[in-house]
Amino acid sequence: AQSVTQLDSQVPVFEEAPVELRCNYSSSVSVYLFWYVQYPNQGLQLLLKYLSGSTLVKGINGFEAEFNKSQTSFHLRKPSVHISDTAEYFCAVCKPQGAQKLVFGQGTRLTINP
Amino acid sequence: DGGITQSPKYLFRKEGQNVTLSCEQNLNHDAMYWYRQDPGQGLRLIYYSQIVNDFQKGDIAEGYSVSREKKESFPLTVTSAQKNPTAFYLCASSLRDSPYEQYFGPGTRLTVT
Repeated sequence: AQSVTQLDSQVPVFEEAPVELRCNYSSSVSVYLFWYVQYPNQGLQLLLKYLSGSTLVKGINGFEAEFNKSQTSFHLRKPSVHISDTAEYFCAVCKPQGAQKLVFGQGTRLTINP
Repeated sequence: DGGITQSPKYLFRKEGQNVTLSCEQNLNHDAMYWYRQDPGQGLRLIYYSQIVNDFQKGDIAEGYSVSREKKESFPLTVTSAQKNPTAFYLCASSLRDSPYEQYFGPGTRLTVT
């Protein structure tokens, strides 16, 4: 079975600073990887996805993530954050075959301070 | 506009009562899902349906029931057997061929006292 660990439950940063949200996964087979974002009191929105190919994936709102197979990681980065990036971010994984159910991490709350 | 509608946004019930949460989508998606979100625990899958008149249990189905009589609708009933029903409930849908790319509704916050 797959599992996802988001190493930080909360990350406070100042506006215009860079940020990295960490995600590690565990799986005995190859996986697809995702980052979803949840703005306050809303549902989730897909930020970016890694299915295959280039290990550096670019998403919406200036975010990017890098798949590192040897470290089983899929960390999310943004070079300069804005107040509007305040949200909860979820890393998720699923198997390419079979039921393809998403397994989510616990979430990281990103707070941007002016 | 295409999307997923969940109603109501906030729901209050007394302990021992069943309650049904609504989820409607007009994205023409075959698959639909229900998740429960609790602080610090991420999202946990309750039930999912890949086609009309068929659904499967997720990881935490006990105390919940669903139906899928129409492609557009996937209501979730929280029964009195659910030990700790107070939570934020999210409905999602996807194309059958890409179940990992899910579109989420705005959620229903259920409080049971």
